[in-house]
Amino acid sequence: GAVVSQHPSWVICKSGTSVKIECRSLDFQATTMFWYRQFPKQSLMLMATSNEGSKATYEQGVEKDKFLINHASLTLSTLTVTSAHPEDSSFYICSARDRRGAAYEQYFGPGTRLTVT
Amino acid sequence: QQQVKQSPQSLIVQKGGISIINCAYENTAFDYFPWYQQFPGKGPALLIAIRPDVSEKKEGRFTISFNKSAKQFSLHIMDSQPGDSATYFCAARQPNTGNQFYFGTGTSLTVIP
Repeated sequence: GAVVSQHPSWVICKSGTSVKIECRSLDFQATTMFWYRQFPKQSLMLMATSNEGSKATYEQGVEKDKFLINHASLTLSTLTVTSAHPEDSSFYICSARDRRGAAYEQYFGPGTRLTVT
Repeated sequence: QQQVKQSPQSLIVQKGGISIINCAYENTAFDYFPWYQQFPGKGPALLIAIRPDVSEKKEGRFTISFNKSAKQFSLHIMDSQPGDSATYFCAARQPNTGNQFYFGTGTSLTVIP
């Protein structure tokens, strides 16, 4: 149980275009989902926290107009990178908190590799 | 400011040896300390976790030692295997933030046959 999927697993896009990444909790309902960014050989940096049905809370320094997050249901959150630029190239990982289980657990998706050319 | 400090940055261990990774924190409000294993190109996977009211937790070859007074915790991998070669992250949970985690900087473990 507690499986989180991400789609796509990798994407290449041209500079100036927008890219949407989906995060789904497959076998549980997630009240809260988190979006992280990870550069090569570095740690995970929390970008934003999204709660179902409400606006996402962004970490300091993360542009909310550039990284649009929508948590429309208890099993789906999306991250849209708008007007992508090469510096947005990174590994994006989502995680989800199971509303039923231990409050402490976060389950991570497999990540999405974004390359902006 | 790094909320959770992790060391070493990289570690090379012989097969069958013990791998030890250390983490330290300052915020005494943290209430949950998980360790994650991450393979290249994959998301982190929960390995083992501990709460601060417990000093040690063991699951198979993996043990967490927790020292509340020193605000330190460590991961011990016994009988290390080449398949354990991965990056390991410690983390700490900030309560009352919707389950926000702070991650250490990661340790790249290589187990040589």
